[in-house]
Amino acid sequence: EAEVAQSPRYKITEKSQAVAFWCDPISGHATLYWYRQILGQGPELLVQFQDESVVDDSQLPKDRFSAERLKGVDSTLKIQPAELGDSAMYLCASSRQGSYNEQFFGPGTRLTVL
Amino acid sequence: KQEVTQIPAALSVPEGENLVLNCSFTDSAIYNLQWFRQDPGKGLTSLLLIQSSQREQTSGRLNASLDKSSGRSTLYIAASQPGDSATYLCAVVTGGGNKLTFGTGTQLKVEL
Repeated sequence: EAEVAQSPRYKITEKSQAVAFWCDPISGHATLYWYRQILGQGPELLVQFQDESVVDDSQLPKDRFSAERLKGVDSTLKIQPAELGDSAMYLCASSRQGSYNEQFFGPGTRLTVL
Repeated sequence: KQEVTQIPAALSVPEGENLVLNCSFTDSAIYNLQWFRQDPGKGLTSLLLIQSSQREQTSGRLNASLDKSSGRSTLYIAASQPGDSATYLCAVVTGGGNKLTFGTGTQLKVEL
């Protein structure tokens, strides 16, 4: 069964360091999403890609966060510098091209900033 | 701005009981609603997707209903099992782009 892959699963870093997360969507899924989930809350969208283009990054803190999907397949989310408030679960999801299709999520990366 | 609320925040039931989880949303102009399951420290598993034109969807012991006009959805779990223990999240798509707006979830514990 096809799944969304993410790595690393866990990341511990110190404040002001740089971190990067990787996501490989389900094969053939043109749309890729990065969500952030703070403990006890629902996920919130950070950025959405359609192929290699950004569709929505209105909630991405652009002063420290960046995301890319250069070849329209896998994607990287970077934080530099990390802050204490960035501690959260970072979830990647993908869906087929077209409107309002079901989203499938990966296992997530748990980030702890010390 | 769309807001999604899930009640109750936590629920504990004995094994075998049928139960209902509730989800409400403030903007009824949704395109679809999706129910997810999340185990502690894990990602989200999609359970059911209901398009705005549908009233309900079923998968095994799960049945989700949608009343778009009243801004409500319910997830019915029949004959609950300890393995159903998890957090259940509902999310809606409102407007273009397929962005999901999530509730804060209902933490379910099914006891032996």
